[in-house]
Amino acid sequence: DQQVKQNSPSLSVQEGRISILNCDYTNSMFDYFLWYKKYPAEGPTFLISISSIKDKNEDGRFTVFLNKSAKHLSLHIVPSQPGDSAVYFCAANKLVFGAGTILRVKS
Amino acid sequence: GAGVSQSPSNKVTEKGKDVELRCDPISGHTALYWYRQSLGQGLEFLIYFQGNSAPDKSGLPSDRFSAERTGGSVSTLTIQRTQQEDSAVYLCASSERAGLAGGNTGELFFGEGSRLTVL
Repeated sequence: DQQVKQNSPSLSVQEGRISILNCDYTNSMFDYFLWYKKYPAEGPTFLISISSIKDKNEDGRFTVFLNKSAKHLSLHIVPSQPGDSAVYFCAANKLVFGAGTILRVKS
Repeated sequence: GAGVSQSPSNKVTEKGKDVELRCDPISGHTALYWYRQSLGQGLEFLIYFQGNSAPDKSGLPSDRFSAERTGGSVSTLTIQRTQQEDSAVYLCASSERAGLAGGNTGELFFGEGSRLTVL
């Protein structure tokens, strides 16, 4: 039973445009969410988190939006850069990770 | 070093053998997590330690898997009688503490992983 789902296995975006990565969850008891980025042969690195009491958190080019009623969150990267190309994982309460979305930013 | 250290980085073993994977978390981090990533899959939670105790062992796939943490620092993940389906990258992460209280961003710091191949 996947409690955190990233339904898009991959996404391709042109440099300078917005990348939107989506994540859905089923457990309404999750109280915070995190996004991680992972390059090949490296461990994931933390990007941004959001508490369930908020609906938006912004850090530079990265913004996470949370819609609790829809049990949906999204990560916006704008403007996208080629160095953003990686696998992005959505996680809930540090314990439950999505399957990841491969982002490719084309220059 | 300043980051999470895992060893060995690569381990090839024969089916039926036992393996032990080690994780050395960032100094002072009280929470430690084990995950694994099988080929083409996402991160699968295995077990979580707060100090030396494991409040959540729900992710361990079978009784062949066990983990311990001593002195609130180093942790070892042991897989007994390895099977081919155990082949994966085993990732360890640590954090200052669980939760987002007190300004904690919830960030996990991951090691580079131990790649296990069971022949």
